[in-house]
Amino acid sequence: KQEVTQIPAALSVPEGENLVLNCSFTDSAIYNLQWFRQDPGKGLTSLLLIQSSQREQTSGRLNASLDKSSGRSTLYIAASQPGDSATYLCAVAGDSNYQLIWGAGTKLIIKP
Amino acid sequence: DGGITQSPKYLFRKEGQNVTLSCEQNLNHDAMYWYRQDPGQGLRLIYYSQIVNDFQKGDIAEGYSVSREKKESFPLTVTSAQKNPTAFYLCASSIGAGTGGYTFGSGTRLTVV
Repeated sequence: KQEVTQIPAALSVPEGENLVLNCSFTDSAIYNLQWFRQDPGKGLTSLLLIQSSQREQTSGRLNASLDKSSGRSTLYIAASQPGDSATYLCAVAGDSNYQLIWGAGTKLIIKP
Repeated sequence: DGGITQSPKYLFRKEGQNVTLSCEQNLNHDAMYWYRQDPGQGLRLIYYSQIVNDFQKGDIAEGYSVSREKKESFPLTVTSAQKNPTAFYLCASSIGAGTGGYTFGSGTRLTVV
């Protein structure tokens, strides 16, 4: 059974730092992996989608990588800003039924 | 603008009462999903639908029911059989099962009073 883990559960850094959020999964037979952002009391916003055949995706200051063989994905945020403060969730779609399995998220706080 | 609308934003349920959460999308997506979110846990799938008039149970379907009579609408009923319904409920859609990214609504917070 696929399990998705995000470490750390919470992270607080000063503004301007580059940072990395981690996501690990136990079954490498995935269809895709997605990173989402959730602001308090709000729905989820899709950030990046990586297909199983891809190694990375980039959008602005965000870069997500995927290493299926090791069961890991990282979300790199460059030059962090207070507006980046949110909970970041990763989700993995299995290659048999495509349903998403979710990590519990990393709560990120960027201090001005 | 295309998107998903969930209503109400806040909902209060009395013991033994059924309540229905609304989810409407104008994205022309075939697949729709209901998730439950509890503090410190990942999202858990309640029900999903890949096409009109068809839906499947997710991991935690007990105490919930859905319908998919129209492509645009996927309402969720929380029945009195759901003993711990207090949670944040999220509706999502995608073009098809497993194709591309998901679009989420803004959520409904349900509280038992």
